This record gives sequence, C-alpha cells and structure tokens, in this order.
Amino acid sequence: GENVEQHPSTLSVQEGDSAVIKCTYSDSASNYFPWYKQELGKGPQLIIDIRSNVGEKKDQRIAVTLNKTAKHFSLHITETQPEDSAVYFCAARVANNDMRFGAGTRLTVKP
Amino acid sequence: NAGVTQTPKFQVLKTGQSMTLQCAQDMNHNSMYWYRQDPGMGLRLIYYSASEGTTDKGEVPNGYNVSRLNKREFSLRLESAAPSQTSVYFCASSELGYTFGSGTRLTVV
Repeated sequence: GENVEQHPSTLSVQEGDSAVIKCTYSDSASNYFPWYKQELGKGPQLIIDIRSNVGEKKDQRIAVTLNKTAKHFSLHITETQPEDSAVYFCAARVANNDMRFGAGTRLTVKP
Repeated sequence: NAGVTQTPKFQVLKTGQSMTLQCAQDMNHNSMYWYRQDPGMGLRLIYYSASEGTTDKGEVPNGYNVSRLNKREFSLRLESAAPSQTSVYFCASSELGYTFGSGTRLTVV
C-alpha cells in the first residue's frame, strides 16, 4: 500500500520567514495530493491540493510543488504569520478511498 | 451548512464499556470515513463507506464496527472499549478533498 513520509516533524520559524514542509510517497499510482492544517482542538482543514498532472499550484502565501519522478511534494508558506502556527498534514491518494496521511509537522511561527 | 458534525466531543469510558460515535454530513457526499489520530502517527483509517449501504475496513479496523445509516450518517461503534482505543476520532466525508468533523476525544480507563 501507499506510504507517506513527512519531514520535519517540528519546524520553528520567525514571523515573516518562509516555511517548507516535504513529503515523499511510495506508490507511483498516487494522483492527488492535499495538504491539511489542523489547529488545536479542531479537525484538519484542507488548505491546498494538487493533482498529478500539475507541477505547482499557488494560493496567496501558500504553494505546493510536485515532483512525480522523485515521488515527493512540498508545501511552501511565505511571509509566515503567527496564525500560521498549527500542525500540517500531507496526504496522497491512490484510489478513491485510499488516502494515506503523513505523520504531521508542528509549525511554530515566533512573533 | 454545518459540514461534518460529530457527537459527542468528549467521552470517558471504562474498559469493557460500549459506545457509538455519531457523524452526519450535509454536503451530499457519497464517501464517508472514520479515522483515529494518535500522537506521532498522523491519521489512520478505521473504516470507510464509499456509498450508502457499503462499508469497508481500513488500516486499523479491529475492535470497531460501523453503520452507514443513510447517505448523511455514518456511525462508529466500540463494542468493548480497551485502553488502546484512547484516541481522537475524526469523521470525514468527501468527493475529492476531505471535509473533517471537529473530532471526538475518547479516553478509556
């Protein structure tokens, strides 16, 4: 089955700096790669996603890149703000009901 | 729209007790899921339902049962709770990306 690895497990940055979280996947059939943000006491919330036929997608300060050959994808947050502090999860979907999640990255943005 | 609603938000059970976690979605999604979230392990799929009337096992189904009552509702049942089932449980529904509920924090003592 699909295996998703996520790094780093914790990340601390200064407000205004950029943050990058990386994930690798094992199944070349994976075709959809969402990123979720989870704030304390809440469920994960979809923040951006990318399909396998696209190399990069951007939404304001958030971007995701996908390298299908190397089987890795990354989340980039620019101009970080304290409200970006949360746990971020990557995921990869192989089939309609087979979505595997990374273990999460706890991002702390220091004011 | 409420999205995905889970009840209860918190629960404490004694070992051996049973309970049902409720989940309902109002987005007319066909697929629904139950995940558990444990520290350092991310989200692991317990059971899913691709459509009304069907359910299938995920990665960690042992000790759980599910019922897809109708298109809106998907419940998770613990017949005899064990301390290893202490976790945060999330229900989700999807067409492509998932919409998660706010979770149920379950402690089994």
